[in-house]
Amino acid sequence: AQTVTQSQPEMSVQEAETVTLSCTYDTSENNYYLFWYKQPPSRQMILVIRQEAYKQQNATENRFSVNFQKAAKSFSLKISDSQLGDTAMYFCAFMRGQNFVFGPGTRLSVLP
Amino acid sequence: DTGVSQDPRHKITKRGQNVTFRCDPISEHNRLYWYRQTLGQGPEFLTYFQNEAQLEKSRLLSDRFSAERPKGSFSTLEIQRTEQGDSAMYLCASRDLHTDTQYFGPGTRLTVL
Repeated sequence: AQTVTQSQPEMSVQEAETVTLSCTYDTSENNYYLFWYKQPPSRQMILVIRQEAYKQQNATENRFSVNFQKAAKSFSLKISDSQLGDTAMYFCAFMRGQNFVFGPGTRLSVLP
Repeated sequence: DTGVSQDPRHKITKRGQNVTFRCDPISEHNRLYWYRQTLGQGPEFLTYFQNEAQLEKSRLLSDRFSAERPKGSFSTLEIQRTEQGDSAMYLCASRDLHTDTQYFGPGTRLTVL
C-alpha cells in the first residue's frame, strides 16, 4: 500500500521569504502522479501543483515549484515570495489509477 | 461552471439519527469521490464512482454508510445510526476522463452530539 509522509506538522515563514515543505512517499509503482493541495482555514481544498512521475522536469506554477526526486521518493514544495494568503494546510498526495492517498498535512503560517 | 458543490455545509445531529449529504460534481466529470477528513488530518478515501457505478469502497465505509450516484450526475452519502466517531468533514471531489486531477467541493461538516 502506498503511504505519504509529511514530517513537518507546522511551519512558519516571514512574508516575502521562501519556504520548503517536505513530502516523502512509499510505492512500488513506476508510473504515478503527485500533487500538492492547499486548504486555507475554513475554505475548500484547491490544487497547487501536480507532477507526473515519468517527467524528470520539476513542475512550476508561478511562485510554487517542486523538487521531485523519484529515486529518493521525495516531493518537496517550494513557495517563493510568501504571501499572507499562502497561510493554509498543505497536503501532499499520491495518485496511481483510482488510488489517491494524502499525507497528514503541514500547517503553514505566513507572518507579516 | 461553478465547480463542485456540496449540501449542506454544516450538519448537527444527535447520535442514532440518519443523515444524508449531497454532492454535485463538475458537470462533465464522470468520476466522483467521497473522502472523510478529521481535524488536523488529510482526507481519507471512502468510495469512488465512475458514472453511476460504485467501483471501489474503503473498509472505512462500514455498513452504516451508503453512497449512490443514480444517474451518474450528483451523488448522495448517507450515514445511518450516526455515532460520535462519525463527526468529521465529508469531502466530495470530481475528476474528468482526461485528467488526473481531482477538484474538491467545500465539504459538509458533520457534528454528532
